[in-house]
Amino acid sequence: GESVGLHLPTLSVQEGDNSIINCAYSNSASDYFIWYKQESGKGPQFIIDIRSNMDKRQGQRVTVLLNKTVKHLSLQIAATQPGDSAVYFCAENNYGQNFVFGPGTRLSVLP
Amino acid sequence: DGGITQSPKYLFRKEGQNVTLSCEQNLNHDAMYWYRQDPGQGLRLIYYSQIVNDFQKGDIAEGYSVSREKKESFPLTVTSAQKNPTAFYLCASSLGTASSYNEQFFGPGTRLTVL
Repeated sequence: GESVGLHLPTLSVQEGDNSIINCAYSNSASDYFIWYKQESGKGPQFIIDIRSNMDKRQGQRVTVLLNKTVKHLSLQIAATQPGDSAVYFCAENNYGQNFVFGPGTRLSVLP
Repeated sequence: DGGITQSPKYLFRKEGQNVTLSCEQNLNHDAMYWYRQDPGQGLRLIYYSQIVNDFQKGDIAEGYSVSREKKESFPLTVTSAQKNPTAFYLCASSLGTASSYNEQFFGPGTRLTVL
């Protein structure tokens, strides 16, 4: 596969447990955030987004939490499955600018 | 089957050669982007285009060139002036610019290796 994220932090979880992946963003003026999932050798896939006027948003098995006070974003995955194994990264956007992407966290699901 | 396609998946280049990476989308998106991905780093923007016949430099445009002659196509040329071109290249598109809360859809990527 592709050598994406060779030196990334890794989170290992047991299958069926919940996963929490964190992201510290850089710009306090950022008003739109996205979480992406990237499997080895593939392009990133959109998971969920959130605007700065919200602090929580839920999708199917995923929840994103936004704490603007400390510039922190988290992605929670419920009942983690083997297919969730991938690199996850956040992207922030300040209205009128381009996205800034974090380096990502590798999620490894243990059987 | 709508989406973004990139070709080739793997590309090998000799030093001193220019190579062109293809990106095509049939999503009718106005904006298209090229990113470079290196191990342990976030995506870095090379070039972007908000409309046909117009494009802007991103953060690391040196050694790269693009064209946007058609809405659906945004090819990237990696020139011999790019000193460290070995990387994974990702193309993306969005309905409008990032400033309007539009998510970016990514292609499958092209792995470029300089021999």
